[in-house]
Amino acid sequence: LAKTTQPISMDSYEGQEVNITCSHNNIATNDYITWYQQFPSQGPRFIIQGYKTKVTNEVASLFIPADRKSSTLSLPRVSLSDTAVYYCPRGGFKTIFGAGTRLFVKA
Amino acid sequence: EAQVTQNPRYLITVTGKKLTVTCSQNMNHEYMSWYRQDPGLGLRQIYYSMNVEVTDKGDVPEGYKVSRKEKRNFPLILESPSPNQTSLYFCASRGNYNEQFFGPGTRLTVL
Repeated sequence: LAKTTQPISMDSYEGQEVNITCSHNNIATNDYITWYQQFPSQGPRFIIQGYKTKVTNEVASLFIPADRKSSTLSLPRVSLSDTAVYYCPRGGFKTIFGAGTRLFVKA
Repeated sequence: EAQVTQNPRYLITVTGKKLTVTCSQNMNHEYMSWYRQDPGLGLRQIYYSMNVEVTDKGDVPEGYKVSRKEKRNFPLILESPSPNQTSLYFCASRGNYNEQFFGPGTRLTVL
């Protein structure tokens, strides 16, 4: 089963908007696209999920194009506490996480 | 409070000594899963269970067993642990829209 693809790391500054893109080339028709955040030594935490178009909640927005082969997690005005690893796993019963994107937010 | 709990949180053991890591969820979720996380490798799925008495292998099932006798519990069993199973383990359950809820993790060291 193919993994999703996302950048290994990103740097940003406090107050900036951060966009992390994930490639879902082999996404199944009935799979939702889900993003997680993980801090060191903690379990991943669900951030946002969508099927198509745009979804927004209190912490992030998720943009999914019509072909669903990619998704973009948007974090508005990041703070130091947003420094974490972000995952967009391949869904289904067999979940494949990959190494995620390590976001480092600088002051 | 809706949660996934794991016990123990930390465990140091020796090669070959059977151990069980328990996992319990109170959200009435049908799907549960176990992952291990090693530095630089992200999370890798060990086993998952779609419902009671239904389990299947993930990406790295060798050396592990699971059972799902009731919906809320999904224990991970290491019959004969080896040092390469030293890792951070996470249990998760999945809600109606496929979002997964993770436990706090179990840090296992096998000497």
